[in-house]
Amino acid sequence: AAGVIQSPRHLIKEKRETATLKCYPIPRHDTVYWYQQGPGQDPQFLISFYEKMQSDKGSIPDRFSAQQFSDYHSELNMSSLELGDSALYFCASSWLGVAGLNEQFFGPGTRLTVL
Amino acid sequence: AQSVTQPDIHITVSEGASLELRCNYSYGATPYLFWYVQSPGQGLQLLLKYFSGDTLVQGIKGFEAEFKRSQSSFNLRKPSVHWSDAAEYFCAANRDDKIIFGKGTRLHILP
Repeated sequence: AAGVIQSPRHLIKEKRETATLKCYPIPRHDTVYWYQQGPGQDPQFLISFYEKMQSDKGSIPDRFSAQQFSDYHSELNMSSLELGDSALYFCASSWLGVAGLNEQFFGPGTRLTVL
Repeated sequence: AQSVTQPDIHITVSEGASLELRCNYSYGATPYLFWYVQSPGQGLQLLLKYFSGDTLVQGIKGFEAEFKRSQSSFNLRKPSVHWSDAAEYFCAANRDDKIIFGKGTRLHILP
């Protein structure tokens, strides 16, 4: 079965550079979530999109932005990168077709290292 | 506020011994509950989930979890651990939106 695809899998950037992470949800899934997992930490919710509209926002820095496109893939844009942005970034997707049932399927993550 | 608590940061058990990882949640209404496992540098693998119905849930790799509403708990168990079970385990919950994770429990296995 198709899973959530994230690219790139690994990314190395310098401080103050920008980075773009991409997420391709499972086909027919309409909702995308982004999570950030710092070293030794639990994943923290950043932002989500439902039908291309932002649906919820967590602890996402103002330097970060995201969007969901017409084909439902999503991109997380990160500017003015800081050392503390080094983390594993997960994307998850779900289908809200069944009311109240929101099982999220996680991608393998993108490991971002900021030097 | 919604939260998930894993009281044990580290747990060490001998190979072949039984295991129980604790998880408590605080939500206005009963959330959907999950257990994930993560090996170092790897992604999140779903072990099992509880949405409704039977309170004893079977998962992959021989794991099971029991939902206890009266205790707001969803503890993970395995009757006999293997060295390959050494990993970080996250309990998580959601209710129609973002998933909230516990801080994780790192499981160490003694030979």
